[in-house]
Amino acid sequence: EAQVTQNPRYLITVTGKKLTVTCSQNMNHEYMSWYRQDPGLGLRQIYYSMNVEVTDKGDVPEGYKVSRKEKRNFPLILESPSPNQTSLYFCASSRHNSPLHFGNGTRLTVT
Amino acid sequence: KNEVEQSPQNLTAQEGEFITINCSYSVGISALHWLQQHPGGGIVSLFMLSSGKKKHGRLIATINIQEKHSSLHITASHPRDSAVYICAVSPGNQFYFGTGTSLTVIP
Repeated sequence: EAQVTQNPRYLITVTGKKLTVTCSQNMNHEYMSWYRQDPGLGLRQIYYSMNVEVTDKGDVPEGYKVSRKEKRNFPLILESPSPNQTSLYFCASSRHNSPLHFGNGTRLTVT
Repeated sequence: KNEVEQSPQNLTAQEGEFITINCSYSVGISALHWLQQHPGGGIVSLFMLSSGKKKHGRLIATINIQEKHSSLHITASHPRDSAVYICAVSPGNQFYFGTGTSLTVIP
């Protein structure tokens, strides 16, 4: 089944403890991206990647890192999480100029 | 700055009604996307369009590039259409999103 898989679905952590949210797609898509969704602000793009080893900042990249070492994986790294990074995170992938396929989301709470 | 504005923010309709959700944007775009998010959070892509009109079942999406405006129409609305509908634009490789329209269809 074609899908974008994010893990974990829920994560509670403490300020400053490094964490990684994984994202994997099995559709051989070139484009992958990360978003956060906050009440009243909607979805905002954090980082995107056009292909392996090619990443670029979105609208709200501060406090996040990404890497694209393999085509199928695009992990989101929070080196020192802070409470203002508490949010619902989505990964998505697509072929170039095609509709986005979203993962099921990761709800992150930083205390 | 809000590159994408949606209206209305909230919408309640009776089953069977015709529904229109509007999206205006301020940037040049290569494509506009309509997304649906059900309670529980999953997001699915409904339409991607760069000109004209697309139809899928009871859903119709239109775009006017000159006026930087798109509409999503739902004909013969049904309670299962209750969801948040999100407009997104892509001026290249980045995406900008509206804050969504929360639709409730009452039986």
